[in-house]
Amino acid sequence: QQQVKQSPQSLIVQKGGIPIINCAYENTAFDYFPWYQQFPGKGPALLIAIRPDVSEKKEGRFTISFNKSAKQFSLHIMDSQPGDSATYFCAASITSTSTGNQFYFGTGTSLTVIP
Amino acid sequence: DVKVTQSSRYLVKRTGEKVFLECVQDMDHENMFWYRQDPGLGLRLIYFSYDVKMKEKGDIPEGYSVSREKKERFSLILESASTNQTSMYLCASSSPTLAGADTQYFGPGTRLTVL
Repeated sequence: QQQVKQSPQSLIVQKGGIPIINCAYENTAFDYFPWYQQFPGKGPALLIAIRPDVSEKKEGRFTISFNKSAKQFSLHIMDSQPGDSATYFCAASITSTSTGNQFYFGTGTSLTVIP
Repeated sequence: DVKVTQSSRYLVKRTGEKVFLECVQDMDHENMFWYRQDPGLGLRLIYFSYDVKMKEKGDIPEGYSVSREKKERFSLILESASTNQTSMYLCASSSPTLAGADTQYFGPGTRLTVL
């Protein structure tokens, strides 16, 4: 079953809009929540990440909001640009001191920003 | 810069053939991963390896095997390719951190078509 549920599957916004992508999880043992960005023809790359002890993290125009009690987290893109058009994956992982983290990815959101 | 390379960008094989997908990373990472990416299903972990000759099954290992004889190289093997293995295959590597905030570095992917 899907450990991390992501929505929506696709999103179209106008330039300057604020797309929001949502993710939810059940396993309270997850302790690290990254977002990956994938452009066509490329592999995903880390965009921004958060730990559950903070409720928000900003890096440039990208913000993660985290709601630990609801087991939900979301990505907001401020002042979105056509260059932000990509597929976004949320993920969750559990720290393992012996083998390194195994990541569980959401199903992805295809974002299109219209000029 | 971390570089993860995959042996082929596109591959076309026949049903029943044995298929080898190769992945090489140049950052001395302990962990390496194989995912498949399908529309609407996101990234699903096939196998991962946290050390040379060590491997762990992911969520969808059936029909696949892996080999890691050297730290920098991780191979995915389809013993007898089937049409339902037509997909994008992504390799990733990471180095475990004490804080558990691993970053996965992905290759560009191999699009495999099984006819």
